[in-house]
Amino acid sequence: DVKVTQSSRYLVKRTGEKVFLECVQDMDHENMFWYRQDPGLGLRLIYFSYDVKMKEKGDIPEGYSVSREKKERFSLILESASTNQTSMYLCASSPGSPRSNQPQHFGDGTRLSIL
Amino acid sequence: QQQVKQSPQSLIVQKGGISIINCAYENTAFDYFPWYQQFPGKGPALLIAIRPDVSEKKEGRFTISFNKSAKQFSLHIMDSQPGDSATYFCAARVAGNMLTFGGGTRLMVKP
Repeated sequence: DVKVTQSSRYLVKRTGEKVFLECVQDMDHENMFWYRQDPGLGLRLIYFSYDVKMKEKGDIPEGYSVSREKKERFSLILESASTNQTSMYLCASSPGSPRSNQPQHFGDGTRLSIL
Repeated sequence: QQQVKQSPQSLIVQKGGISIINCAYENTAFDYFPWYQQFPGKGPALLIAIRPDVSEKKEGRFTISFNKSAKQFSLHIMDSQPGDSATYFCAARVAGNMLTFGGGTRLMVKP
């Protein structure tokens, strides 16, 4: 069974801090994704990666960056956290092409609060 | 601007009833329509998916109905059970692009 593990379930940070969210998958998937989930807005794609050190912007990349130094690990970085980045963050992985119909496997999310 | 509009935002159904969640889209280039199910405290998981060359797909108690001319698709949960209580997301994809998700529907099935 695919397992996508997000390092923190809950995280509280202060405005202006640099925040790291970590995600690890154990199925050797090529693709990894970061979404944020907000009520009424569904899931919105922040960034995705289709290979080590390769990344592409999603729909809402502003204020975020990502890092993928190893295939199994994908990090989301909030360069200078702001209160409007308070949200649930979901990591996902999938095999093959990132634009194929292969299902994405999600972690259980990190609820991030910026004070 | 959401490309996939999902309704209702929340839904309460009695046990044994039919739950119906609707999604509408504008982009006729969408060619893949999955539904994801998310239980509290968990990430979403793929439930069922359809392509526009069929009008209906059924898996157990879950059915997707697809109306290409109306640019709508819906999820029907027959004989709804309390264990079906979850948030449901519709999504759509243009070939070669990323998934676009609807806003989600929180379903509660009362015993």
